Amino acid sequence: DQQVKQNSPSLSVQEGRISILNCDYTNSMFDYFLWYKKYPAEGPTFLISISSIKDKNEDGRFTVFLNKSAKHLSLHIVPSQPGDSAVYFCAASALDSNYQLIWGAGTKLIIKP
Amino acid sequence: KAGVTQTPRYLIKTRGQQVTLSCSPISGHRSVSWYQQTPGQGLQFLFEYFSETQRNKGNFPGRFSGRQFSNSRSEMNVSTLELGDSALYLCASSFAGKGDTQYFGPGTRLTVL
Repeated sequence: DQQVKQNSPSLSVQEGRISILNCDYTNSMFDYFLWYKKYPAEGPTFLISISSIKDKNEDGRFTVFLNKSAKHLSLHIVPSQPGDSAVYFCAASALDSNYQLIWGAGTKLIIKP
Repeated sequence: KAGVTQTPRYLIKTRGQQVTLSCSPISGHRSVSWYQQTPGQGLQFLFEYFSETQRNKGNFPGRFSGRQFSNSRSEMNVSTLELGDSALYLCASSFAGKGDTQYFGPGTRLTVL
């Protein structure tokens, strides 16, 4: 049973446009959400996070939105750049599971020139 | 500060053999987590060690084990290898775990023939 789902295995976006990556979760106890980015042959690197007490967190070109009622979060990248081409993972954690991270399957983002 | 290092980077084994993977965390980090990544499955949590004690464990069979040394370095062992164990094994370190940002190593690519 996948508690964190990234339903789009891949996404192709024109350079300069907005990239929107989506993530859905089923466990209402999740209270902390993270996005990681992974290049081939490297480990994932932390990108941005959001606590369940907020509905938006922004860091430069990256913004994460959280909709708790819909159990949905999204990562917006504006404007998209070629270096953004990578696999993006959504992860969630909860106090009652000792903050063990539960990961989505990832979305491969391809930025087209 | 040096990042998380994992050795070896690549490994080929045959069914029935055992394997030991090593992870050196970022200096000062006391929490080390291990993940298995297979295509389309995201990262599956194996276990977390903190101060030489296993603090959290995922749903993997007993063939998967680990340990942590007093210098926070960690090893993961898989005995009686199966074809399905072929995966990228990632190690992540954080200061104290429990919601801290995790920093990943490049992973060990294990192929079981």
